[in-house]
Amino acid sequence: EADIYQTPRYLVIGTGKKITLECSQTMGHDKMYWYQQDPGMELHLIHYSYGVNSTEKGDLSSESTVSRIRTEHFPLTLESARPSHTSQYLCASTSRTSGTGEEFFGPGTRLTVL
Amino acid sequence: GENVEQHPSTLSVQEGDSAVIKCTYSDSASNYFPWYKQELGKGPQLIIDIRSNVGEKKDQRIAVTLNKTAKHFSLHITETQPEDSAVYFCAASKTGANNLFFGTGTRLTVIP
Repeated sequence: EADIYQTPRYLVIGTGKKITLECSQTMGHDKMYWYQQDPGMELHLIHYSYGVNSTEKGDLSSESTVSRIRTEHFPLTLESARPSHTSQYLCASTSRTSGTGEEFFGPGTRLTVL
Repeated sequence: GENVEQHPSTLSVQEGDSAVIKCTYSDSASNYFPWYKQELGKGPQLIIDIRSNVGEKKDQRIAVTLNKTAKHFSLHITETQPEDSAVYFCAASKTGANNLFFGTGTRLTVIP
């Protein structure tokens, strides 16, 4: 079982609200990722980070923002939620020095914007 | 960049039968090929992986094969059980890459 945590697990919120999805890992991993998962299953990379103070946009454009002030913490923020943001958000991490390249995933946050 | 295609998108098998999921990749430099299983309400978890210096790898009822020349790799599950029902993702990556490139997923249903 990977030591990567996401809160909340489920969130239902109204349009226009600001939300922050939390992701923390206790494995000391330097690389962290946020994926958006369609109802149709596909995983889309929206943000990643190489380490503290490093953030990059992924393949899928997203209105969300991320920060990486501490190695273990990689929160995702939506300033003004909209129904189009309704999705499953998955956080993952890996060690840059690991020989495997395996990404460890958190349990996900299911966001519904009304 | 890398492009990973995965087929089929859905697969139903009778309990005890075998299931095969196939993936192709585009970047000949890719050298790491993991498979993830995602159960309902959970994040994906690694179930098996293979590197490009190996053609086949087995772990109990699951096996992965890799054909570097054809740039495709497959997941084989034998003697399927209802608890194998899940979404399976293949992925590919290479040394120094920023991230894994995932296939589009296969929803496997094992019918008791």
